Amino acid sequence: AQSVAQPEDQVNVAEGNPLTVKCTYSVSGNPYLFWYVQYPNRGLQFLLKYITGDNLVKGSYGFEAEFNKSQTSFHLKKPSALVSDSALYFCAAPQTGTGFQKLVFGTGTRLLVSP
Amino acid sequence: KAGVTQTPRYLIKTRGQQVTLSCSPISGHRSVSWYQQTPGQGLQFLFEYFSETQRNKGNFPGRFSGRQFSNSRSEMNVSTLELGDSALYLCASSGGQGVPEQYFGPGTRLTVT
Repeated sequence: AQSVAQPEDQVNVAEGNPLTVKCTYSVSGNPYLFWYVQYPNRGLQFLLKYITGDNLVKGSYGFEAEFNKSQTSFHLKKPSALVSDSALYFCAAPQTGTGFQKLVFGTGTRLLVSP
Repeated sequence: KAGVTQTPRYLIKTRGQQVTLSCSPISGHRSVSWYQQTPGQGLQFLFEYFSETQRNKGNFPGRFSGRQFSNSRSEMNVSTLELGDSALYLCASSGGQGVPEQYFGPGTRLTVT
């Protein structure tokens, strides 16, 4: 079964500094990976996805993610953090044989960006 | 396009009661999925409907059920509510070919007392 792991419960970064939110995966076959963000009292918002091709995927709000097959990682990055980026971030992967609809989520990483 | 809408946004129910939650997907999206989010278990997949048929199912008891209508709107029902059913219930819709992303609604916060 596919699984993703987010090793950090919380990441703290100062505004203007680069940020990284980590995700590792364990999948059979081709890895398809997603990042979502959740703001308080809101649903999840899609940020970006990796299907195939370039290892650096660009997404919404200036976020990007680096796919690394040898390290089975898919870390979310942003060159310069904003206070408004403070939120809960989830890495996800679809279970195989489900038409890519049954997403398995990591436990989430809370990002706190200080002014 | 309008996003995914869920009603109601908040619900308070008593143990033993039943509840119905509603979801309207993005126009043109035929797949609707439901997730439960709790602090202890995180985000867990409940089920997915596509063209009025349940296509995928998670590991939840039979008290959790759903359906989809011909206009792709979906409902989920929880019968005989338990305290542990208190959660944020999220609906997501997707469309298109390949590996489509899911678009989530704001959720329904269910509190069981």
